[in-house]
Amino acid sequence: EAGVTQFPSHSVIEKGQTVTLRCDPISGHDNLYWYRRVMGKEIKFLLHFVKESKQDESGMPNNRFLAERTGGTYSTLKVQPAELEDSGVYFCASSLVPGQGAGEQFFGPGTRLTVL
Amino acid sequence: LAKTTQPISMDSYEGQEVNITCSHNNIATNDYITWYQQFPSQGPRFIIQGYKTKVTNEVASLFIPADRKSSTLSLPRVSLSDTAVYYCLVGVFYNQGGKLIFGQGTELSVKP
Repeated sequence: EAGVTQFPSHSVIEKGQTVTLRCDPISGHDNLYWYRRVMGKEIKFLLHFVKESKQDESGMPNNRFLAERTGGTYSTLKVQPAELEDSGVYFCASSLVPGQGAGEQFFGPGTRLTVL
Repeated sequence: LAKTTQPISMDSYEGQEVNITCSHNNIATNDYITWYQQFPSQGPRFIIQGYKTKVTNEVASLFIPADRKSSTLSLPRVSLSDTAVYYCLVGVFYNQGGKLIFGQGTELSVKP
């Protein structure tokens, strides 16, 4: 079974440009999450989709970030315009159900974003 | 949400048993304790989860005392490939909408 995949693995852009990150969750997983780790900091939650609906977007830092999950399959995270402080690693995770306790989330390898 | 405290780093040698303790003094009645592992350049990976006493799987054991204010992840006979960051997470994540709250983790270094 294929795991969570993310594209691209690395992205280097200039301040003010736009970048779109893609996440393909494990097939059949209704729950999709985005997290990020900015340099030297902890991994932080960004948002949670249940199918195509945003369940919780309390972690989105500002309106320069837009996440979509059309059709409830893959998801995209767009940063427009990118700022220097957006540099970091963006992780996507999916799960079958949130589950009791923590449940188990399956993480992708992440996209390393560098904003120059 | 229960705050967790764990050592920033630990060193070990191949073949040893490693125990990583996490403190969570304000754990709530419905909270579960979960551990994730993260290798460099990879996303975190679920290791084990428990509520009380002891849980064991093919990777690790999780020991939780009666008061549940701490927990210990035990890795038997570590190898070089166990070098990673280990995160302790506490909460009833379903009621939080499923999001995981990561702390700084424990960076385990296994030496030959």
